Amino acid sequence: DSGVTQTPKHLITATGQRVTLRCSPRSGDLSVYWYQQSLDQGLQFLIQYYNGEERAKGNILERFSAQQFPDLHSELNLSSLELGDSALYFCASSSEVFNEQFFGPGTRLTVL
Amino acid sequence: AQSVTQLDSQVPVFEEAPVELRCNYSSSVSVYLFWYVQYPNQGLQLLLKYLSGSTLVKGINGFEAEFNKSQTSFHLRKPSVHISDTAEYFCAVSGSGGYQKVTFGTGTKLQVIP
Repeated sequence: DSGVTQTPKHLITATGQRVTLRCSPRSGDLSVYWYQQSLDQGLQFLIQYYNGEERAKGNILERFSAQQFPDLHSELNLSSLELGDSALYFCASSSEVFNEQFFGPGTRLTVL
Repeated sequence: AQSVTQLDSQVPVFEEAPVELRCNYSSSVSVYLFWYVQYPNQGLQLLLKYLSGSTLVKGINGFEAEFNKSQTSFHLRKPSVHISDTAEYFCAVSGSGGYQKVTFGTGTKLQVIP
């Protein structure tokens, strides 16, 4: 158990819909990262937040957005969903001293 | 900018045979290096890390990796694999020191054949 929690575990929705994925980091970690993992694209870094502020952006689509709240949990919002958005979405939190990341179990999103 | 190359996308190996998963990195600064493992339907978990000091790093489940600065490599090895080692393995690099960006490789799928 990494100490990072993600909900929900599975999500099935339709094209055009909007969903919210939630992540709680390990106790004491200020950074949260979001990744998308699919069979054709592999592990893709989406975005990082540090103590409530956006820190780095990766291959995140404009239809996707994220935020980190004062209690440090984070939400990833995916809107106008397309079939190609079906993937595993991972959240990770980081020990900033040594940069190692601790991953949650993931949310499997299926868009029908 | 930094990058990580995992040349082998898949590595099949017989049970109890040795295995080496290759990782090469590129960085203009000193680095920290990591190997993560992802078992089917699970998140990634840290296998081992190199921060400084001894270039041979031992991790969980009998894995070890050697940091080679001149060859900019951090290959992962295990002398005898088990069926339970079947998983995807990711190499990652960051600049040394805290608050550095981490870049992941594309992963190598290790398939252990009984």
